[in-house]
Amino acid sequence: DSGVTQTPKHLITATGQRVTLRCSPRSGDLSVYWYQQSLDQGLQFLIQYYNGEERAKGNILERFSAQQFPDLHSELNLSSLELGDSALYFCASSEGTANLGETQYFGPGTRLLVL
Amino acid sequence: EDQVTQSPEALRLQEGESSSLNCSYTVSGLRGLFWYRQDPGKGPEFLFTLYSAGEEKEKERLKATLTKKESFLHITAPKPEDSATYLCAVLRTIQGAQKLVFGQGTRLTINP
Repeated sequence: DSGVTQTPKHLITATGQRVTLRCSPRSGDLSVYWYQQSLDQGLQFLIQYYNGEERAKGNILERFSAQQFPDLHSELNLSSLELGDSALYFCASSEGTANLGETQYFGPGTRLLVL
Repeated sequence: EDQVTQSPEALRLQEGESSSLNCSYTVSGLRGLFWYRQDPGKGPEFLFTLYSAGEEKEKERLKATLTKKESFLHITAPKPEDSATYLCAVLRTIQGAQKLVFGQGTRLTINP
């Protein structure tokens, strides 16, 4: 158990809908990262938050957005869903000191199926 | 462009048959190379971090090594429970932000 929690575990929805994925980082970690994993793309970095502020963006679509709240939990919002958005979505967290390469600890993921 | 290539894509071994997985990378400003293990439908589980060429880390039957261009994950006398996908990732720091770039993984199967 990494200490990172994600809800829900599974999500089934229809095209055009909007969903929210939730992540709680490990106790004390300030940085939260979101990743998408599909069969053909592997693990792709989406976005990073540090202590409530956006720090880095990766291959995140404009239909997707995220935020980190004062209690450091984070939410990833996916809107106007398409079939191709079906994937595993992972949250990871790290201490946030950035003194050296920090280890990112991953949560169990949310499996999203868009029908 | 940052690139991480893992080989082979899949590897099937007999229990007790040692082997190595390769991770080659091209990245500027490397801040660390990471190995993770991922079971089907689960989140990646952290194994090792390597920071500089020549560094080695060991954990049970696994040993990770790092050169300037690649990393190896050596598996000695594997057991069926070592079956998983092994992911390699390199970390870059750009303007204070940390970006982890993953390879496609090696799917390892250990037959009893």
